[in-house]
Amino acid sequence: AQKITQTQPGMFVQEKEAVTLDCTYDTSDQSYGLFWYKQPSSGEMIFLIYQGSYDEQNATEGRYSLNFQKARKSANLVISASQLGDSAMYFCAMREGSLTGTASKLTFGTGTRLQVML
Amino acid sequence: DTEVTQTPKHLVMGMTNKKSLKCEQHMGHRAMYWYKQKAKKPPELMFVYSYEKLSINESVPSRFSPECPNSSLLNLHLHALQPEDSALYLCASSQLDRPNTEAFFGQGTRLTVV
Repeated sequence: AQKITQTQPGMFVQEKEAVTLDCTYDTSDQSYGLFWYKQPSSGEMIFLIYQGSYDEQNATEGRYSLNFQKARKSANLVISASQLGDSAMYFCAMREGSLTGTASKLTFGTGTRLQVML
Repeated sequence: DTEVTQTPKHLVMGMTNKKSLKCEQHMGHRAMYWYKQKAKKPPELMFVYSYEKLSINESVPSRFSPECPNSSLLNLHLHALQPEDSALYLCASSQLDRPNTEAFFGQGTRLTVV
């Protein structure tokens, strides 16, 4: 079963506008983490934002915010005031069931390619 | 400093060659990872090291051999690869003292097997 689902293969947004990238997840664990990464054409995976399953407030990092709706199992990324440099592939990811002393898997969705237009 | 350094950036190797990919981090992270990413696909986990011990092997073929000589270094030894192994290989690291923590990635090695 797909753990992380990103239903938007591609998105377009006008420069300076806001855009929402969708992500839903599936887990039976109570403790898990949700992440968004940006991957430009250069290939590097850039960490953007993190939301813990027990965090009551939505995470924010500068122009990035994560709209966390736990009951709906969704963790959408909102980018405000889009810039040309935001054009990239965006991956939603989840880590679950982390035990002390052992790293757990970080599982990625299929990604959304965002294109920012003038 | 949230830097993970991978070398080389690009590698072309023949199917009979032996080569190694290297990854280094100085953030004090005790978990390190190798991911493989084919074009237009998400990264797929290959190996995880926790406290320098292999903790997860995602049924990777033996022609890929990971090694973690110390807490800062991670190698991936390659031998007798196939053209379908051509991909972007990403290294990552994360803390182990906090559950479900974020991982930081290097810029990757673009591998071409000819």
